[in-house]
Amino acid sequence: GENVEQHPSTLSVQEGDSAVIKCTYSDSASNYFPWYKQELGKGPQLIIDIRSNVGEKKDQRIAVTLNKTAKHFSLHITETQPEDSAVYFCAASRINTDKLIFGTGTRLQVFP
Amino acid sequence: DAGVIQSPRHEVTEMGQEVTLRCKPISGHNSLFWYRQTMMRGLELLIYFNNNVPIDDSGMPEDRFSAKMPNASFSTLKIQPSEPRDSAVYFCASKLVNYGYTFGSGTRLTVV
Repeated sequence: GENVEQHPSTLSVQEGDSAVIKCTYSDSASNYFPWYKQELGKGPQLIIDIRSNVGEKKDQRIAVTLNKTAKHFSLHITETQPEDSAVYFCAASRINTDKLIFGTGTRLQVFP
Repeated sequence: DAGVIQSPRHEVTEMGQEVTLRCKPISGHNSLFWYRQTMMRGLELLIYFNNNVPIDDSGMPEDRFSAKMPNASFSTLKIQPSEPRDSAVYFCASKLVNYGYTFGSGTRLTVV
């Protein structure tokens, strides 16, 4: 069935460094790949997304890359700040469905 | 917009009791999703609705779980009878066609 794997499960970086989180998906029909940030006690919040007709998308300090051939997509956060500390989830959905399959999450800690 | 509203925020109940979780989606959103989040299993899709019609309930764990969406502005997730292993955070999310999910703040359910 559909599956999304996410690595690493935890990531600690120094403030100002970059952080990269990677995901792979199993369903070759997937065409929509969002990333969510979840802070303690809150629901996941969409931070950036990418569709299969685009290889890269950037929004200020965050960027997402997609390699459809390898079925990989990644989240890149540059110049990390303590407020970036949270759990990040990748997800994927296939054409003509609203059903998102989530990765297992990455706990990012940014130390001052 | 007030976002997706879930109630209650916290629920503690005894094993065997009926539990009803409530969700008000964002006005105008045509899809609604119920997810369950646990440390062991991450974010699991339980059921989702399009235009108030259940589309995929394959994630509903057992017959003890049921969900309804009587109109575009309200949905319930019911567990009867509840068991300790149902303890989790339950999220509701809604979306508009071609846009990402918006999650509510969740209901933390504890069954003792």
